[in-house]
Amino acid sequence: DTGVSQNPRHKITKRGQNVTFRCDPISEHNRLYWYRQTLGQGPEFLTYFQNEAQLEKSRLLSDRFSAERPKGSFSTLEIQRTEQGDSAMYLCASSSPWPPLPREDQFFGPGTRLTVL
Amino acid sequence: DAKTTQPNSMESNEEEPVHLPCNHSTISGTDYIHWYRQLPSQGPEYVIHGLTSNVNNRMASLAIAEDRKSSTLILHRATLRDAAVYYCILRDLEGNAGNMLTFGGGTRLMVKP
Repeated sequence: DTGVSQNPRHKITKRGQNVTFRCDPISEHNRLYWYRQTLGQGPEFLTYFQNEAQLEKSRLLSDRFSAERPKGSFSTLEIQRTEQGDSAMYLCASSSPWPPLPREDQFFGPGTRLTVL
Repeated sequence: DAKTTQPNSMESNEEEPVHLPCNHSTISGTDYIHWYRQLPSQGPEYVIHGLTSNVNNRMASLAIAEDRKSSTLILHRATLRDAAVYYCILRDLEGNAGNMLTFGGGTRLMVKP
C-alpha cells in the first residue's frame, strides 16, 4: 500500500500527558497537511509543510501543539499537556503540485483517534 | 473565505442517480469547486473538481451553474459503498491560501438497498 499512513491509529491518554503522532506521506509528495476532526464536524486545517518548511499554521494550533517534518519526509504532531478538548481524529494528508494547476488532490491517511480521559 | 452551503443529509435508493447540491453565492473568479467525500472511519478522498465547465470522471459528474453560484455533484448509480459525507469546497489555487482545504459540514448521503 503506497498511501498515506498514520500511527498510531488510536491513542488513549490521561489529561496532562504528552502525545506524539506520526504521518508518513506518499513518497513523492512534497506537501504535507495536518487536520483535526471532531465528531459530526468536517476536518479543520491545523498546519501545512512544503518539504521541511512549515508554511502555514492555523489559529487552532495553540502553543501546546507542535509539528515537525525534519527531512521533508515523515511528520510528527506533538500535543503537550493534553486536555479533554483535544479529543478528536487527527488527519494527515499529502499532495504534490502537478502542472498544470489546479490538479493538486490531497490524499488523506486514515487518521489517529485521540481520546483524552 | 468563500463559503459553501449544503443540505445536512440526503437519502437515495441503490442504483438510482443522486444529485448533491452546493450553493456558493460568494464564489470568486479564481475559486475552483472541489468535492471530497469521507467514507465511515476513513479520511476524506478526492472526488472531482471544476472551474466553469461541467466535468466527468470515473467516480462522478460535476455540473456547474452558468453564474457559478451553485454546483451539483452527480452520482449516476448510487451503490451502498457511496454512503458517505460529501464535502463541497472552494479553493483559490492561484495563491497560497489555496493550499489548505476548508471543510464545511457536508452532506451525509444514506443509500437504501
